[in-house]
Amino acid sequence: QMQLVESGGGLVTPGGSLRLSCVSSGLAFGNYYMAWLRQSPEKGLEWLAYISTSGSDTNYADSVKGRVTISRDNAKKAIYLQMNTLRADDTGVYYCARDWQQMGVYYFDSWGQGTLVTVSS
Amino acid sequence: SYELTQPPSVSVSPGQTARVTCSGDKLGGKYVSWYQQRPGQSPVLVIYQDDERPSGIPERFSGSNSGNTATLTISGTQPMDEAEYYCQAWDNSLYVFGSGTRVTVL
Repeated sequence: QMQLVESGGGLVTPGGSLRLSCVSSGLAFGNYYMAWLRQSPEKGLEWLAYISTSGSDTNYADSVKGRVTISRDNAKKAIYLQMNTLRADDTGVYYCARDWQQMGVYYFDSWGQGTLVTVSS
Repeated sequence: SYELTQPPSVSVSPGQTARVTCSGDKLGGKYVSWYQQRPGQSPVLVIYQDDERPSGIPERFSGSNSGNTATLTISGTQPMDEAEYYCQAWDNSLYVFGSGTRVTVL
């Protein structure tokens, strides 16, 4: 199973920016789609973005579209989430996950431990 | 946007069967996955593609999906199964999650 470790969370003021990282220790990282999700008491579990194996294909949830960018570096076995114009309702625990997308089947089969993002003045 | 509806809570006695439902328009035409999340831990995939169990997930976990409702069934529920359970589907190139169901083993 792929081991995933997120970092980069913290306290940020509204309107600020943050870059999250997720590093994998598993093999064949470059063979898998990857994703970012978040969880908050108000919104529950929420998918934010996914990125294809090469990075050429990305997709975003409407709640973050235009404010966040997902990227990856297969040589470093890492994905990133650049978040801009942060709002209070972006507060939550952010997870990276392996995103299985094949033959009409879609799910997340490995999750990191999460990193907490708090947006507050 | 597509919505998945779950009951907030389900209670079950140890050794009995717990059923968690997930409802959505024509959900039976989509594949559903289920995740278990124990307090303070990350979600864990317990069912994918409606009724498939990942390696390492006990056989007491099973799933079904038909019509507008998917169901996660936990047979012979154990105290360790007490957790939040989330359903998930894919619609129009987007992932959708249910709001979660708290399973309490009394």
